[in-house]
Amino acid sequence: NAGVTQTPKFQVLKTGQSMTLQCAQDMNHEYMSWYRQDPGMGLRLIHYSVGAGITDQGEVPNGYNVSRSTTEDFPLRLLSAAPSQTSVYFCASRDRGLAEKLFFGSGTQLSVL
Amino acid sequence: DAKTTQPPSMDCAEGRAANLPCNHSTISGNEYVYWYRQIHSQGPQYIIHGLKNNETNEMASLIITEDRKSSTLILPHATLRDTAVYYCIVDPSQGGSEKLVFGKGMKLTVNP
Repeated sequence: NAGVTQTPKFQVLKTGQSMTLQCAQDMNHEYMSWYRQDPGMGLRLIHYSVGAGITDQGEVPNGYNVSRSTTEDFPLRLLSAAPSQTSVYFCASRDRGLAEKLFFGSGTQLSVL
Repeated sequence: DAKTTQPPSMDCAEGRAANLPCNHSTISGNEYVYWYRQIHSQGPQYIIHGLKNNETNEMASLIITEDRKSSTLILPHATLRDTAVYYCIVDPSQGGSEKLVFGKGMKLTVNP
């Protein structure tokens, strides 16, 4: 199993550009989520999904869109990138049974100029 | 908002036990306490979790107070590789809101 795979690892955008951060997991996990991490701010939840076709907002959802058309994939879309979205983004997944742990991807470092 | 409170940082000598505290005074009866850690800029990794009883695995021990309002993660013999940011979270784990909030965590520095 590859676990949670995030692509790309690094990305530089200009203000106003759009892009999609990809996240895929091969563990058949129902739950998937996106976090961003800024210096001194810890991990902040952007959006999460408890299954295909179901998404919900986290702590900092503004400026980001998500969809969940399959169990495996949970892409994060930036429609019009802003410098404030410069951050490291982590995707995570887990099963929805009792006491299941989160598995994280290795992160995407995004810079918006 | 995070449902846990951790000190921002802690130092520990190599080879000594590291005791990492966490307060979760508003924890609900069905919420587990989970610990994760993040080494440098890698993705966080699971360490241990518990509901009521103390737990131990190959990485650490978790001590949860009887009233469940606080817990302590114990790394019995800290090494330099244990230097990381440690996150304590409460997690319903089954049902309820799955809005898993991590907060800022606690930076543990293990010194030689």
